[in-house]
Amino acid sequence: GENVEQHPSTLSVQEGDSAVIKCTYSDSASNYFPWYKQELGKGPQLIIDIRSNVGEKKDQRIAVTLNKTAKHFSLHITETQPEDSAVYFCAVHPQGAQKLVFGQGTRLTINP
Amino acid sequence: DTEVTQTPKHLVMGMTNKKSLKCEQHMGHRAMYWYKQKAKKPPELMFVYSYEKLSINESVPSRFSPECPNSSLLNLHLHALQPEDSALYLCASSQLPTTAGNTIYFGEGSWLTVV
Repeated sequence: GENVEQHPSTLSVQEGDSAVIKCTYSDSASNYFPWYKQELGKGPQLIIDIRSNVGEKKDQRIAVTLNKTAKHFSLHITETQPEDSAVYFCAVHPQGAQKLVFGQGTRLTINP
Repeated sequence: DTEVTQTPKHLVMGMTNKKSLKCEQHMGHRAMYWYKQKAKKPPELMFVYSYEKLSINESVPSRFSPECPNSSLLNLHLHALQPEDSALYLCASSQLPTTAGNTIYFGEGSWLTVV
């Protein structure tokens, strides 16, 4: 089955700097890659997603890049703000499956 | 509006109690999900309903009983739970079952404590 590895498990950056979180996956047929942000005491919130026919997608300060050949995708947050502090999960949707496979999560802390 | 509403937000129950978690969405989504999340871990899939029919049960113990009364509602009936079942229970929905890579939207979750 699909295996997703997410790194780093914790990340601390200064406010205004950039943060990058990386995920690798094993099934080359996987075709959908969402990122979720989970704040303390809340449910996961979709922040950006990318499909296998696209290499990069941006939404204001957030971007995701996908390298299908290497089977990895990354979340980039620029000009970080304190409200970006949260746990971020990558996920992969294997083709033909009815479920997402999640990475283990990254706890991002933005230091003022 | 991408909103999945869960009630209650917090629930404390004894091991002999029977309780239910409720979930509602009005986005016209035809797939609904129950996930369980323990502290510092990613969500784990429990059940998937597609077009109001149970399509996936991830070998969940029978003390958890899902129900989908209609396309907007999803319940999780709880009976004879164990303390290790204490967790955040997340409901989610997607337009269609995720074989097509449809976006899954989560609710805020119900915090369950079993005493």
